[in-house]
Amino acid sequence: AIRMTQSPSSFSASTGDRVTITCRASQGISSYLAWYQQKTGQAPKLLIYSTSTLQSGVPSRFSGSGSGTDFTLTISCLQSGDFATYYCQQYYTYPLTFGGGTKVEIK
Amino acid sequence: QVTLKESGPVLVKPTETLTLTCTVSGFSLSNTRTGVTWIRQPPGKALEWLAHIFSNDEKSYNTSLESRLTISKDTSKSQVVLTMTNMDPVDTATYYCARTGAAIDAFDLWGQGTMVTVSS
Repeated sequence: AIRMTQSPSSFSASTGDRVTITCRASQGISSYLAWYQQKTGQAPKLLIYSTSTLQSGVPSRFSGSGSGTDFTLTISCLQSGDFATYYCQQYYTYPLTFGGGTKVEIK
Repeated sequence: QVTLKESGPVLVKPTETLTLTCTVSGFSLSNTRTGVTWIRQPPGKALEWLAHIFSNDEKSYNTSLESRLTISKDTSKSQVVLTMTNMDPVDTATYYCARTGAAIDAFDLWGQGTMVTVSS
């Protein structure tokens, strides 16, 4: 199975900060990479698919980039509602796999 | 309104078989390229993909759990069922079902999740 490694596992940031989360695949996955946001007590929500395509309704301060094995999720100007845990997921091949998550906390 | 909703027991005993049902509305399980997946999340831990059923009824399983899992669907009832045998306390988790849409192979829609505790 393809292993997805996210970094960092957690960090603190302030409202207005630009933040970047990294996801690395153990083998090439082309652009078949999605990002999800999960708030406490809620189901995950799809933010980005195909590496960089914003899901409908997702604010433009979220962006994704990368290809092959290295990917990033960037939040250009952190808002209060963005404090959550973020997961990457590859859907290049089955079995599907998620990263370990990155928790973004308030500084 | 397009939704998925999980249902099943809140508590199961070790060695028992867990049966979870995902009932969908607002779309058909027979739609081309529409599939349903089961994912779980132990308390405070990461998401773990379990199984997927495709629109053509093909199935795929987490290789580590494959011997314990069975996924099936009843299109007429708009339901996808997951069974997991020989439950253990480490299987305590919130179980989610999620959809892969016709145009998006990622999980564009999720159920609210159902918490299952394994304890004697």
